[in-house]
Amino acid sequence: GIQVEQSPPDLILQEGANSTLRCNFSDSVNNLQWFHQNPWGQLINLFYIPSGTKQNGRLSATTVATERYSLLYISSSQTTDSGVYFCAVEKYSGGGADGLTFGKGTHLIIQP
Amino acid sequence: GAVVSQHPSRVICKSGTSVKIECRSLDFQATTMFWYRQFPKQSLMLMATSNEGSKATYEQGVEKDKFLINHASLTLSTLTVTSAHPEDSSFYICSAPLVMRTDTQYFGPGTRLTVL
Repeated sequence: GIQVEQSPPDLILQEGANSTLRCNFSDSVNNLQWFHQNPWGQLINLFYIPSGTKQNGRLSATTVATERYSLLYISSSQTTDSGVYFCAVEKYSGGGADGLTFGKGTHLIIQP
Repeated sequence: GAVVSQHPSRVICKSGTSVKIECRSLDFQATTMFWYRQFPKQSLMLMATSNEGSKATYEQGVEKDKFLINHASLTLSTLTVTSAHPEDSSFYICSAPLVMRTDTQYFGPGTRLTVL
């Protein structure tokens, strides 16, 4: 099956710092999503981004599909940004929606 | 829009009992839903695909007789953990794709199962 690798596994930053999270995947994809899992386990949709660049406030993401990687940028970090960030992909199948394959996540801690 | 709910949010049961978890798409229809499992400090793993009006498809290594899935309507899928054992204790999460111009998947809040 498709492989998804995220880096770094852990990241500790001071409030106000910027960060870049990376996601590498091993095959062509229909779908790539970034999520933030809050302390209660809820997955918060950040971006649907199988290709291109998107921005939403302090967060932005870029996926270079031809090189099979995606980056999530967080600027001016706040303590509420702490948590686990997951990248998940749906392998290209040409058919309907398939389940997502998740990376192992990046555990981000923002210190005040 | 695109809200997915799960019930219950938390359940504790005795070993050997069965537990049913519901997943509902509240404001859209979903012919397909997905069930995932997440063990502590680990990532999410796809368990099965729930198909409205037909049998579920299971990922390799997932026992279909233990994890019964029923997709009774376009807004409801249920996962029943039969004869639960302590090793089935986990966080179970469902998702549904909002199939319009994209296949963005929306996730429920999860159900934490503890088997004593």
